Amino acid sequence: GENVEQHPSTLSVQEGDSAVIKCTYSDSASNYFPWYKQELGKRPQLIIDIRSNVGEKKDQRIAVTLNKTAKHFSLHITETQPEDSAVYFCAAGGGADGLTFGKGTHLIIQP
Amino acid sequence: GAVVSQHPSWVICKSGTSVKIECRSLDFQATTMFWYRQFPKQSLMLMATSNEGSKATYEQGVEKDKFLINHASLTLSTLTVTSAHPEDSSFYICSARDPGQARGEYFGPGTRLTVT
Repeated sequence: GENVEQHPSTLSVQEGDSAVIKCTYSDSASNYFPWYKQELGKRPQLIIDIRSNVGEKKDQRIAVTLNKTAKHFSLHITETQPEDSAVYFCAAGGGADGLTFGKGTHLIIQP
Repeated sequence: GAVVSQHPSWVICKSGTSVKIECRSLDFQATTMFWYRQFPKQSLMLMATSNEGSKATYEQGVEKDKFLINHASLTLSTLTVTSAHPEDSSFYICSARDPGQARGEYFGPGTRLTVT
């Protein structure tokens, strides 16, 4: 089955700086890579996703890049704000299967 | 985006009893729903795939006789935790796919189960 590794587990950045979270996956059949933001006690919220036929996608301050050959994808958040503090999960999947999640990154935005 | 609801949002039950959790897609029909479990400060772990009109597919290590899944309609899947024990205490989250949209899974708000 799929295996997703996510790094770092904790990331602390100054407000206004950029944050980068990286994930690798193992199953070359995976073709869908979403990123979720989860605040304490709440459901994961989809913030951006990318499919395997695209190398990069951007939505305002958030961008995701995908390298299919190396089987890794990254989340980039620019101009970080206090409300960006949360746990971020990457995931990989596609087809009829559910998603395999990374272990999560606790992002802390320092004022 | 698509809306998925879950009920109840939290439940406390005694050890040995059973608890049923409902997951509904409110504005679309979902032939496939997924059940995840999340322990405190951990990631989401896929438990099973629920397919409308057929048996659920369970992930390795998940007991199908303990976690009963029924997907009786295109908008409702239920997860029943049978003979619950304290170690079953967790956050249970369902998700559903809207076949009419290109984006992936939409999560329900989750159910926090505490077994005493």
